[in-house]
This record gives sequence, structure tokens and C-alpha cells, in this order.
Amino acid sequence: RKEVEQDPGPFNVPEGATVAFNCTYSNSASQSFFWYRQDCRKEPKLLMSVYSSGNEDGRFTAQLNRASQYISLLIRDSKLSDSATYLCVVGNSGGSNYKLTFGKGTLLTVNP
Amino acid sequence: DAGVTQSPTHLIKTRGQQVTLRCSPKSGHDTVSWYQQALGQGPQFIFQYYEEEERQRGNFPDRFSGHQFPNYSSELNVNALLLGDSALYLCASSLTAGYTFGSGTRLTVV
Repeated sequence: RKEVEQDPGPFNVPEGATVAFNCTYSNSASQSFFWYRQDCRKEPKLLMSVYSSGNEDGRFTAQLNRASQYISLLIRDSKLSDSATYLCVVGNSGGSNYKLTFGKGTLLTVNP
Repeated sequence: DAGVTQSPTHLIKTRGQQVTLRCSPKSGHDTVSWYQQALGQGPQFIFQYYEEEERQRGNFPDRFSGHQFPNYSSELNVNALLLGDSALYLCASSLTAGYTFGSGTRLTVV
């Protein structure tokens, strides 16, 4: 089983649509959780951290369910500029070491 | 305040050659991690350097090696290049858990 698994996608949605991304992780000892956004041929950039209480940043809502080892990202009222690859990322620490593990990513295209 | 700087941005190498990629971390960061991102895949962890030592390593062969210098900058070396080594190589620096990524080096092996 892969450490981080995401919906394979791609997703093609019209402007204004709501789109949901799902992710599962295998290491129950994982400590931190993120969604990164990656534009074509660019580096990944942090979109938002994910907390068990859920968190919202404008049109973006992230949820974490530790019991089921499941992470989600919801984008409401999609914009053309939301078109990108969305990466589910899990942070793990072994002693003083801290490492990010990425999912494969899900490509989103928002169409006019 | 400069972020993470990687060089070169692009390069083309021939199968069997060796390559060195360079990374200057964000000011104040002491840890450097390297990732390989093949086309259509998520970044895969290669290794991490802290205090000039390799602290963690992912599932990559010994052809991949690295180094960290006293100023925290780092190099990634790949020997005996294979076509499958073609990828975007990302460097990320951190201090504890906050990662900052460089814009990457795109390596093409022909």
C-alpha cells in the first residue's frame, strides 16, 4: 500500500463548481497534514495545513479524520485560476527527523 | 530575504554521465531535503541533510549521493545516469517542520 494515496483524476469542472479531493494515508503515527498546489512545471506550494478540527480559508476547506486516516479538500465556486495539480502531503517525524511524503497528485482543470 | 535557490534550472545529460545539482537554503534554515518528481508523479523523497550528515534516505540507489556544506547549502550527485533519472529535482529547506521549496532543476537524460 502506498504511503499516501489520492483520487487519480483528472478532474474537469466548469467555473463555479464545487470539487472535492480525497486522500488516505497509511502511517497512523503521521503527525501533520497538508494540501499543496503545483502549477505546471513549477515547484509545489503550500495551500493549507489540515487539522482534525477542520479548517477553512476562503473558498477552500480541509478536513482530517485520524481514525480513518483520511484527508479531504473542498474547493467551492471554482475559478479558472484554481487549475493546477493538488498534492496531498503527510509529515512524519522519526526522532528529530521530519519528512514530507507526497501523494501522486490530482490534476484539476476549471473550464470557462 | 532569498528563498531556496537551485542551480542549474535546466540541463541535458547523456546516459552514463554524472551530474551535480546545487541548492542554497532559505536564510535561517539548517536542513535540506531533496526530492525527485517524475512526469505525472508526486515528489519522491531522496534524502535529507542536517549538520552535514545524511539523516534520512528514501528508496533510491547508491548512485544518488549528496553533501551538505557548513553554510547549509547542499549538492545532489547522480552517477551513471539512466534515462529514467529524467525528472524535476526539488530541493526543500526547513527549520524544524516548515518546508520551503526551490523552483527545481529539470534534468533530461538522453
